[in-house]
Amino acid sequence: DGGITQSPKYLFRKEGQNVTLSCEQNLNHDAMYWYRQDPGQGLRLIYYSQIVNDFQKGDIAEGYSVSREKKESFPLTVTSAQKNPTAFYLCASTTRRHTDTQYFGPGTRLTVL
Amino acid sequence: AQSVSQHNHHVILSEAASLELGCNYSYGGTVNLFWYVQYPGQHLQLLLKYFSGDPLVKGIKGFEAEFIKSKFSFNLRKPSVQWSDTAEYFCAVNGAGSGNTGKLIFGQGTTLQVKP
Repeated sequence: DGGITQSPKYLFRKEGQNVTLSCEQNLNHDAMYWYRQDPGQGLRLIYYSQIVNDFQKGDIAEGYSVSREKKESFPLTVTSAQKNPTAFYLCASTTRRHTDTQYFGPGTRLTVL
Repeated sequence: AQSVSQHNHHVILSEAASLELGCNYSYGGTVNLFWYVQYPGQHLQLLLKYFSGDPLVKGIKGFEAEFIKSKFSFNLRKPSVQWSDTAEYFCAVNGAGSGNTGKLIFGQGTTLQVKP
């Protein structure tokens, strides 16, 4: 089946540790996105990438880093510099046509202990 | 500043009641508009979208939305809700036209609870 996979589903981290969230898509989409979802705040864009080996900061990039070495993969690292990392993280992808739908993965719930 | 505002944070309805969820946006230039839904335990998925043409768009499961450009609004409607419509609903906008990055700006979300 075509789609977006994110792993793990749940992740627990101690303060001060970096952690990497996985996002893989087999939809042959060029563009990929990372959003953070917090209750009552909707989704906010962390980083996005429109093409391999290129990515841009979104609205809340501080404390996060990404890479885009392969078209299918867009991992997100939550660093110790992120002050409030506990949240639900969603990955999405789409073609580069602006009218096209963004397809979302199932999400990773990160909890910092 | 670019933003999306959803008027209702939590809506409770009985089955068969009519639904209207408000959405207003602030965005310079031509826009594409979306409504996404997140059912409990499921992926965020598209309900409907507008990018040009008829401002009244129809989506899945009997939902529709009307784009009123003069009011910067894109309200979601359903004439008769079902218990299975219980979910969180998000309005979103991005910039239209080539050269836009496709990144979405989301509203805060509206939680809809339908009582059987």
